[in-house]
Amino acid sequence: DGGITQSPKYLFRKEGQNVTLSCEQNLNHDAMYWYRQDPGQGLRLIYYSQIVNDFQKGDIAEGYSVSREKKESFPLTVTSAQKNPTAFYLCASSSWKQVNYGYTFGSGTRLTVV
Amino acid sequence: QKEVEQDPGPLSVPEGAIVSLNCTYSNSAFQYFMWYRQYSRKGPELLMYTYSSGNKEDGRFTAQVDKSSKYISLFIRDSQPSDSATYLCAMSAEAAGNKLTFGGGTRVLVKP
Repeated sequence: DGGITQSPKYLFRKEGQNVTLSCEQNLNHDAMYWYRQDPGQGLRLIYYSQIVNDFQKGDIAEGYSVSREKKESFPLTVTSAQKNPTAFYLCASSSWKQVNYGYTFGSGTRLTVV
Repeated sequence: QKEVEQDPGPLSVPEGAIVSLNCTYSNSAFQYFMWYRQYSRKGPELLMYTYSSGNKEDGRFTAQVDKSSKYISLFIRDSQPSDSATYLCAMSAEAAGNKLTFGGGTRVLVKP
């Protein structure tokens, strides 16, 4: 079945540590996105990529970094510069040819600072 | 002011009632409107998609768009406890390509 796989489901980060969240899709979608969701709040865009080897900052990119070396993969690194990283992180993808038919989301990674 | 406003709820209804959800927006360029359902600790899933103004029906779900008022609605008929979730509206302008702007979500509780 086609879909988006996020791993791990739960992740714990120590102060000052960088962590990387994985996102893989087999939908042959061109565009991929990373969102952050805090309790009781909507989705805030961190980074997005429309093609391989290209990505743009979203609304809250500070303290995060991404790469897009393969069409299927869009990993997100939460760096030590992100002072409040505890949140639910969602990866999504969409087809550039069907740009307004909505996103397909992964099941999310819950990151907690310990 | 947020570009897309959505009442956070929670909205509590008895089983079988009609659930009425809505979003208002400020960007007149938005033309594509969607509703997503998100269960706790899960990713959102697309429920309804509407282009421009008008109504769209899919089973128990009806989506309405009123571009003149910058107002969209989602109605759920014969609500079930399994409809208990957070509902997010999302929209985009053609010029923005496939970048969606989300509302904050409304939490819905359907009580048996």
